[in-house]
Amino acid sequence: DTGVSQDPRHKITKRGQNVTFRCDPISEHNRLYWYRQTLGQGPEFLTYFQNEAQLEKSRLLSDRFSAERPKGSFSTLEIQRTEQGDSAMYLCASSAFEKLFFGSGTQLSVL
Amino acid sequence: QKEVEQDPGPLSVPEGAIVSLNCTYSNSAFQYFMWYRQYSRKGPELLMYTYSSGNKEDGRFTAQVDKSSKYISLFIRDSQPSDSATYLCAMKDDYKLSFGAGTTVTVRA
Repeated sequence: DTGVSQDPRHKITKRGQNVTFRCDPISEHNRLYWYRQTLGQGPEFLTYFQNEAQLEKSRLLSDRFSAERPKGSFSTLEIQRTEQGDSAMYLCASSAFEKLFFGSGTQLSVL
Repeated sequence: QKEVEQDPGPLSVPEGAIVSLNCTYSNSAFQYFMWYRQYSRKGPELLMYTYSSGNKEDGRFTAQVDKSSKYISLFIRDSQPSDSATYLCAMKDDYKLSFGAGTTVTVRA
């Protein structure tokens, strides 16, 4: 399977804990995106990498959120001191040109 | 006002009917227009992509873009129960894809 891979698929955590998600993009895609989606809404942009450089961050990405893409390959999204409002589907997408291809997402539940 | 407006529905049609979905947008910087299909608890799947005004057809799917009116549409002909999903319009400027809220479609057998 050469699609975008995300791990884990589901994460249940207690408020205040830290969580980290991983995304493996389609190989040779130089652009990688993180989005967040809540029930009944479309995905909302969080951040964007071109190769290893993080070029844009949304205002939605508070100081508790950090994303990395070392060596321009896989990416991680960490949420520190989780809050109940962080419960959502976190989606990763990659692209080489204009079309974005999404993974299956990580469903986060903060109790 | 949101950059991309999409009626969330829900929309219920009988099998074989034409499904008509649409979105409006306000950002003139949008250059690329896409439709994604999303099944429950899955990631969005790219369905149609276009970058110019006019029609684009792919099998039972037709995408229309009217840049002068800032309006895009998706038509699904001969709809099937397997087409039941949430359809998301999406528009891209230089790098960022902005989505509508999605329209939930149910095709009744």
